[in-house]
Amino acid sequence: DAGVTQSPTHLIKTRGQQVTLRCSPISGHKSVSWYQQVLGQGPQFIFQYYEKEERGRGNFPDRFSARQFPNYSSELNVNALLLGDSALYLCASSQGLAGNNEQFFGPGTRLTVL
Amino acid sequence: GQSLEQPSEVTAVEGAIVQINCTYQTSGFYGLSWYQQHDGGAPTFLSYNALDGLEETGRFSSFLSRSDSYGYLLLQELQMKDSASYFCAVRDRAAGNKLTFGGGTRVLVKP
Repeated sequence: DAGVTQSPTHLIKTRGQQVTLRCSPISGHKSVSWYQQVLGQGPQFIFQYYEKEERGRGNFPDRFSARQFPNYSSELNVNALLLGDSALYLCASSQGLAGNNEQFFGPGTRLTVL
Repeated sequence: GQSLEQPSEVTAVEGAIVQINCTYQTSGFYGLSWYQQHDGGAPTFLSYNALDGLEETGRFSSFLSRSDSYGYLLLQELQMKDSASYFCAVRDRAAGNKLTFGGGTRVLVKP
């Protein structure tokens, strides 16, 4: 079975630009979460979606937005990019919201903002 | 809010045992998870503890004490491939469904 997939793998943007990152969850998983991981730190929660509804939001500015589609795939959008947005963006899927917290992570998108 | 503390780095030799401690502060504790992440890779799930006690999965074990807000991951019979970062993470009922990660412990296994 295919795991969580993300695209693109790498991305280089300049300050002020906008970016869209994409994620496809494991088949049968209805929950998708997005995390930002700065080098040397743990992942920081950005959003969680379940059944196409936002179920959680982390401490990120309104420049960050996301959505989930009927097929449970998801997009993360970041507007007005700042240098500090350079990070690895991870998508994780899980079957639901409860349970043992097991989330399956994708390989991530490495975003570099110049 | 939630916060987790874990050591930043641990070095050990092949075959040794390493214990990575994690202390947490949270208002509505749900469970403690552990993830492994190799350089350039994605975090992968190792274990989950919701109740006090020890959970063993092969060479790795995880322990939780809810009364002490403390847990640890025990890596036994260390192998070179265990060199990675290890993160503890909690889900807090009061914080919705977000998973809060610690800063990670980098484990370096030497021959």
